[in-house]
Amino acid sequence: QKEVEQNSGPLSVPEGAIASLNCTYSDRGSQSFFWYRQYSGKSPELIMFIYSNGDKEDGRFTAQLNKASQYVSLLIRDSQPSDSATYLCAVNMEYGNKLVFGAGTILRVKS
Amino acid sequence: GAGVSQTPSNKVTEKGKYVELRCDPISGHTALYWYRQSLGQGPEFLIYFQGTGAADDSGLPNDRFFAVRPEGSVSTLKIQRTERGDSAVYLCASRTSGNTGELFFGEGSRLTVL
Repeated sequence: QKEVEQNSGPLSVPEGAIASLNCTYSDRGSQSFFWYRQYSGKSPELIMFIYSNGDKEDGRFTAQLNKASQYVSLLIRDSQPSDSATYLCAVNMEYGNKLVFGAGTILRVKS
Repeated sequence: GAGVSQTPSNKVTEKGKYVELRCDPISGHTALYWYRQSLGQGPEFLIYFQGTGAADDSGLPNDRFFAVRPEGSVSTLKIQRTERGDSAVYLCASRTSGNTGELFFGEGSRLTVL
């Protein structure tokens, strides 16, 4: 089992719709979780981080964490073509500070 | 500089050659990470430094790969006897410390082994 798993996509949504991106992780003791966005040919940049169970909202983005289910998600409301990118889920392993990334989900927002 | 700086941005080498990739983290960041990213994949963890010491090198694929950070700032990733399978973008990232907080990435070094 991979430490961090994501559906590779591509996930296609129309402009203005909600995009839902999902991630599961294997280390039950993990405490911090991150969503990064990566445009083609560029480096990852942080979108959201979440440490506690529940929802965390920042503008059009909402991160959701369920530690019991070992599940993290990212919702993007009012999706824009500029949101088209690869979204990477990253999880800090319980022991040490190793930050492990999933393979990423490609999101395509169609205008 | 204000961000994480990586050099060279592109490196083309021949199979069997030795390569060094350099990373200059954000000033004051004690934690430094190296990742490798192949096309269509997420960043693959290689090694993590806290200060001068390698706190976790479990991601280094084999003994051809080695990294140092002698003064707790600049780090160099060294690859001996390069193979075509080593071709990838090597990303360096830094953050203040601990296991929380944003990881800031450099623009990466694209390595091509012919």
